[in-house]
Amino acid sequence: GQQVMQIPQYQHVQEGEDFTTYCNSSTTLSNIQWYKQRPGGHPVFLIQLVKSGEVKKQKRLTFQFGEAKKNSSLHITATQTTDVGTYFCAGSTSGTYKYIFGTGTRLKVLA
Amino acid sequence: DARVTQTPRHKVTEMGQEVTMRCQPILGHNTVFWYRQTMMQGLELLAYFRNRAPLDDSGMPKDRFSAEMPDATLATLKIQPSEPRDSAVYFCASGPRNSYEQYFGPGTRLTVT
Repeated sequence: GQQVMQIPQYQHVQEGEDFTTYCNSSTTLSNIQWYKQRPGGHPVFLIQLVKSGEVKKQKRLTFQFGEAKKNSSLHITATQTTDVGTYFCAGSTSGTYKYIFGTGTRLKVLA
Repeated sequence: DARVTQTPRHKVTEMGQEVTMRCQPILGHNTVFWYRQTMMQGLELLAYFRNRAPLDDSGMPKDRFSAEMPDATLATLKIQPSEPRDSAVYFCASGPRNSYEQYFGPGTRLTVT
């Protein structure tokens, strides 16, 4: 079945350093979403990417969808303590509402 | 500030008991999802509904789990009988019309002893 893997599993950074998480799907995706889950909280929708090679920015966050639509990345510039949490990608292969969530990357930011 | 609500927030029960979890989607949203989150399996989609009709429940153990939407303001997830391996956080999410965004509720933390 479809699998969505994320690397790294964990990342500790000093405040002010950059952070990147990578998402890889075993199958071609129709679109991909990114979510953030704070410790003890629930996933919060960040963004959706649809087009091949698409790049979107939200303040310090940059999201990219690969040309082959099988991978994606989230880059955070100059991390802050408020960025702490687990970042998930979620991909849909069929253009339906059935999303497979990635394994997540847990980010810790050291002040 | 519209939010998805879930009840109960915590549930501890004994193996074999029936568990019912409830979800109130955001008013006007017409897609509802049920997810389960565990350390080992991560976030798994159990089932989802659109306009109250079940579209996919392939992620749900059919023999003991059931999901329904009695009306547009209520979604339920039942486990009967519950087993220790069902211990997890169960999230409900809803989505607006013409969008694939999902808005998650706070979750129900279920412990089956």
